[in-house]
Amino acid sequence: ETGVTQSPTHLIKTRGQQVTLRCSSQSGHNTVSWYQQALGQGPQFIFQYYREEENGRGNFPPRFSGLQFPNYSSELNVNALELDDSALYLCASSLSSVTQYFGPGTRLTVL
Amino acid sequence: DQQVKQNSPSLSVQEGRISILNCDYTNSMFDYFLWYKKYPAEGPTFLISISSIKDKNEDGRFTVFLNKSAKHLSLHIVPSQPGDSAVYFCAASAAGSNYKLTFGKGTLLTVNP
Repeated sequence: ETGVTQSPTHLIKTRGQQVTLRCSSQSGHNTVSWYQQALGQGPQFIFQYYREEENGRGNFPPRFSGLQFPNYSSELNVNALELDDSALYLCASSLSSVTQYFGPGTRLTVL
Repeated sequence: DQQVKQNSPSLSVQEGRISILNCDYTNSMFDYFLWYKKYPAEGPTFLISISSIKDKNEDGRFTVFLNKSAKHLSLHIVPSQPGDSAVYFCAASAAGSNYKLTFGKGTLLTVNP
């Protein structure tokens, strides 16, 4: 059974640029959630996708957007990057349950 | 507003002894609680969970206790092992929230040989 994978591992962007992060969910999982973890903080919920539809959103501005594909993989897009967007971005998958399984994360640095 | 609080940023214990990690919450709608362990450069790993209809759940060396009236839960690790050294996150989910998880800031556990 393949776990959750994310790409890339690390990314460096400059302020104002756009970024796309990718996630492959665990085999058989139909729900993907994205979290942002700033340094010294716990993960914060960005949004969730269930069967290709957004199924809940946290307190993040519209420049954070996402997609889920028919194979349940997912993308997180962030436009107009700001310095405060520097963080670890975590993807988690689940099969319609509260227990979520996380990928290793993508470390985004905005300069 | 921090709805899930882990007030101890760090905890150090000796190998073989008990580790007790604490978590408090403020949202009465939370009905499911989880503990995750995180090593550096890895994503959080699910450890154990508990529903609000229970007050204890055990899995091997790990036991989670829930005190709903106090809005408090704790994770006990017995016996502690050096490989348990990691950051532990408490997370909670509310009914009707589509399983959105709200996390605490984490507690760094160090188990000394």
